[in-house]
Amino acid sequence: GAVVSQHPSWVICKSGTSVKIECRSLDFQATTMFWYRQFPKQSLMLMATSNEGSKATYEQGVEKDKFLINHASLTLSTLTVTSAHPEDSSFYICSAHNRGQGADEQYFGPGTRLTVT
Amino acid sequence: QKEVEQNSGPLSVPEGAIASLNCTYSDRGSQSFFWYRQYSGKSPELIMFIYSNGDKEDGRFTAQLNKASQYVSLLIRDSQPSDSATYLCAATGSTLTFGKGTMLLVSP
Repeated sequence: GAVVSQHPSWVICKSGTSVKIECRSLDFQATTMFWYRQFPKQSLMLMATSNEGSKATYEQGVEKDKFLINHASLTLSTLTVTSAHPEDSSFYICSAHNRGQGADEQYFGPGTRLTVT
Repeated sequence: QKEVEQNSGPLSVPEGAIASLNCTYSDRGSQSFFWYRQYSGKSPELIMFIYSNGDKEDGRFTAQLNKASQYVSLLIRDSQPSDSATYLCAATGSTLTFGKGTMLLVSP
């Protein structure tokens, strides 16, 4: 159990375009999903916390108008990188909290590697 | 600023040895602690979590928690080359805070 999927696994886009990344919890309901970004050889950086049916909470320094997060159901959250630029190229990883377990552990999706040319 | 500190390594151990990974945290209110393994280019994978002081064993892995010292560790017995990865320690307060990870290298 506790499987989280992401789609796409990798994407290449041109500067100025928008990219949508999907995160799904496949076998559990996720009250909360988290979006992270990881640059090469760096640690995970939390971008935002997404609660089903409400607005996402963004970490300091993360532009909410650039990184649009929607958590429309208990199994799906999406991250849209708008007007992407080369500096947005990174590994984007989502994670989900399994509310059924009553614990705090998060399960990570496999990640999406974004390259902006 | 709530922080989780880890030695970046690399920690090098020979195959079959015990690898000991350490982590300290600053938030005394943290209740839950996690160890994740991350292979290069992949996302983190949960290995163990621990909530109570003492040891928790799962196969070759043992997590140790000392809340008084704000210290968490992960022991890997009979280390295998396939254990070579970066190990991330994380602690929950209001959010899950990750350390920067310790790279473990297990040589055949």
